[in-house]
Amino acid sequence: QQQVKQSPQSLIVQKGGISIINCAYENTAFDYFPWYQQFPGKGPALLIAIRPDVSEKKEGRFTISFNKSAKQFSLHIMDSQPGDSATYFCAAAKGGGADGLTFGKGTHLIIQP
Amino acid sequence: DAGVIQSPRHEVTEMGQEVTLRCKPISGHNSLFWYRQTMMRGLELLIYFNNNVPIDDSGMPEDRFSAKMPNASFSTLKIQPSEPRDSAVYFCASSFGRLQPEAFFGQGTRLTVV
Repeated sequence: QQQVKQSPQSLIVQKGGISIINCAYENTAFDYFPWYQQFPGKGPALLIAIRPDVSEKKEGRFTISFNKSAKQFSLHIMDSQPGDSATYFCAAAKGGGADGLTFGKGTHLIIQP
Repeated sequence: DAGVIQSPRHEVTEMGQEVTLRCKPISGHNSLFWYRQTMMRGLELLIYFNNNVPIDDSGMPEDRFSAKMPNASFSTLKIQPSEPRDSAVYFCASSFGRLQPEAFFGQGTRLTVV
């Protein structure tokens, strides 16, 4: 049972455009939702995270939108740059994030110059 | 801080051999996690520790896998005997736990079992 579903699998966006990645979860006990960025040969690195008491969180060009009733959350990357080309993972956790992360399958993002 | 340190970075071993992966978490972090990444299954949580105590090992695939955390600055993941299907990248991550759950990952160990 895939508890966190992520889409699309791959995404190509022009430089300066908006990249949008979506995730849906099933377990209503999840209460911490981070996004991770991974470059080839590296470990995942935390980008931004949100808790369900907030509907949106913005950090620089990265925004998380969260819809608790729909059990969905999304990552928006504004003014996408070639350096943003990477694989992005959404994740969810219980226990305020203490219980370990359940990851989506990832989105391979390519920003074309 | 140097971040989460994993060793070795790469490991090639023959089927049936014992493999030990090592992790040094960020100093002061009290939670440590082991994940496995494969193309087919993505990133999976294997086991996590809080204050050196294993809390949930339900993600450990088989009895061939075991993990220990003898102290706050060191953890091992052992596979004995190893099989080709264990080939994957294994990541260790650490965090301050519930109050500050941001998990920081190491560079990973790429394991190839031939």
